Amino acid sequence: AQKITQTQPGMFVQEKEAVTLDCTYDTSDPSYGLFWYKQPSSGEMIFLIYQGSYDQQNATEGRYSLNFQKARKSANLVISASQLGDSAMYFCAGTSYGKLTFGQGTILTVHP
Amino acid sequence: ETGVTQTPRHLVMGMTNKKSLKCEQHLGHNAMYWYKQSAKKPLELMFVYSLEERVENNSVPSRFSPECPNSSHLFLHLHTLQPEDSALYLCASSQSFGPGKSNEKLFFGSGTQLSVL
Repeated sequence: AQKITQTQPGMFVQEKEAVTLDCTYDTSDPSYGLFWYKQPSSGEMIFLIYQGSYDQQNATEGRYSLNFQKARKSANLVISASQLGDSAMYFCAGTSYGKLTFGQGTILTVHP
Repeated sequence: ETGVTQTPRHLVMGMTNKKSLKCEQHLGHNAMYWYKQSAKKPLELMFVYSLEERVENNSVPSRFSPECPNSSHLFLHLHTLQPEDSALYLCASSQSFGPGKSNEKLFFGSGTQLSVL
């Protein structure tokens, strides 16, 4: 079974600053994928970024980048130049043996 | 419309009621999912349908009954629910499902916020 752990229940960041949201994973599947989703107050889960276990380079999507460290089994999300609209719940998730497992989530609050 | 649409957005029901949640995806995907999101708990996968066939049923109580009449529609029929079933129910879809599909991203609806009194 796969386990996804997010140890930060809440994070605060100043507008225009960068913030890192932590995620660690544990799986025996050599072919796995890691995702980050954003859930604003409206409820919809929005896909942000994906990293495959065989990808050599860290994934980037605009202001989002994934700091993938295989040896530490971590897949941290970095948001650069935070905006007020980034305030939301962020979920790390992983696919392993065909199943997607979510972490507990981190609430990010961006202060003006 | 595009994406995944869920109705209703909010639902309040008594423990003896029967209601249904509806999900529709306009993405041409072959897999659809029901997730339950309770406060302070990770999302819990309830059911998965792939090509209209149920392929996952994660020990969900029988008071939740899914139905997938075609690849675009998914229902969750509810009856004799308990107060602890109050949660946000999220529907999602993906192009396909199964081992070897580690890069399949899910597209979610906005959810149905269910309150059981």
